Amino acid sequence: GENVEQHPSTLSVQEGDSAVIKCTYSDSASNYFPWYKQELGKGPQLIIDIRSNVGEKKDQRIAVTLNKTAKHFSLHITETQPEDSAVYFCAASKGDKIIFGKGTRLHILP
Amino acid sequence: KAGVTQTPRYLIKTRGQQVTLSCSPISGHRSVSWYQQTPGQGLQFLFEYFSETQRNKGNFPGRFSGRQFSNSRSEMNVSTLELGDSALYLCASSWTRRFEETQYFGPGTRLLVL
Repeated sequence: GENVEQHPSTLSVQEGDSAVIKCTYSDSASNYFPWYKQELGKGPQLIIDIRSNVGEKKDQRIAVTLNKTAKHFSLHITETQPEDSAVYFCAASKGDKIIFGKGTRLHILP
Repeated sequence: KAGVTQTPRYLIKTRGQQVTLSCSPISGHRSVSWYQQTPGQGLQFLFEYFSETQRNKGNFPGRFSGRQFSNSRSEMNVSTLELGDSALYLCASSWTRRFEETQYFGPGTRLLVL
């Protein structure tokens, strides 16, 4: 069945530096790839998503890239700030199913 | 617009008991999905309801069940609780039943089984 691998599980970056989180998926039919941010005590919140007909999408300091051939997609956060500290989840969906990665705990160091 | 609400936020039960969790979706949303979140397994899909019908189901035993009411509110029930059922249970709502649409998550119900 569909599987989504997410790396790294923990990431620490200096404030102001960039952070990159990578995910790979197994089902080539997946066509929607959302990224969620989960802060302590809250449910996941969508921060950016990308569909299979697009290779890259950017929203201010956040960008996502998709390589359909290699079946991997990445989240890029530039100029990291303390409020970026959270757990980030990637997911892959093909309409009637969605599979999440195990999450990346991002620490922004002062 | 009010977000997804879940009640209760915290719950402590003992093995063998049963529990019912409630989820109120964003107004107008007709799809409600339930997820179990644990440190070891991450976010796992339980089931999805649309227009009062279960449309999709994950790989969980029959002890996990749910329903959806005509106002789209949904309940999830777990019978004969086991220690391994301790988790954060999240519900998410969306306009349609397809997971290519944005899902909006509630804050979750943290269940502890003793």
